[in-house]
Amino acid sequence: QSALTQPASVSGSPGQSITISCTGTSSDVGGYNYVSWYQQHPGKAPKLMISDVSNRPSGVSHRFSGSKSGNTASLTISGLQAEDEADYYCSSYTSSDTVVFGGGTKLTVV
Amino acid sequence: QLQLQESGPGLVKPSETLSLTCTVSGGSISSSSYFWGWIRQPPGKGLEWIGSIYYSGSTYYNPSLKSRVTISVDTSKNQFSLKLTSVTAADTAVYYCARQGTKITMYGMVTLRLPLPPTDSWGQGTLVTVSS
Repeated sequence: QSALTQPASVSGSPGQSITISCTGTSSDVGGYNYVSWYQQHPGKAPKLMISDVSNRPSGVSHRFSGSKSGNTASLTISGLQAEDEADYYCSSYTSSDTVVFGGGTKLTVV
Repeated sequence: QLQLQESGPGLVKPSETLSLTCTVSGGSISSSSYFWGWIRQPPGKGLEWIGSIYYSGSTYYNPSLKSRVTISVDTSKNQFSLKLTSVTAADTAVYYCARQGTKITMYGMVTLRLPLPPTDSWGQGTLVTVSS
């Protein structure tokens, strides 16, 4: 199975908004509303930020939101803060009854 | 609060078998609402789903690893385990165990539970190095 496609890096200034894309196919992202997003700081385990395309778990800041259009899911972070600097990964259920991750995006807050 | 903890050797020789166990505490591995999975991350690289198991023993594997992977569950100990055979340096990674969501689907008259992406419960990860 092929990894979902994410940009290698994105950057933004404090207070700005950024969007990270996650592109798959109709067999994964486009076919199901089972896309999750994770934040990972260096040396730490991934943390769930968004599940089922747009559901934000309890305790996750309202600055994080998710959406999907066709075969592309997106994670938007508004009001960027220094603590948001991390790697972000998307993940999706696939029609082969498996789970696939994106390659990851490094967010830099400049 | 649910906690997951990986355990096992940190060093494995090439061609041998990597074996890890994940111990679940603060909740039951026999919950009907979740799969239990293994995910790995080579140094400096991205996440890769290895496979998942339901408490009943139903398993799903990454096709690229399927021939070398076995995941098993021991409900009496609230643990699930990973075995990866014939390892090479490419299998050097941080290995995470995680709780995964599940969905129900019907195949004819058969009801199947299928694994979804990981939820908010992950182990801290354990580095396994493959080297002689």
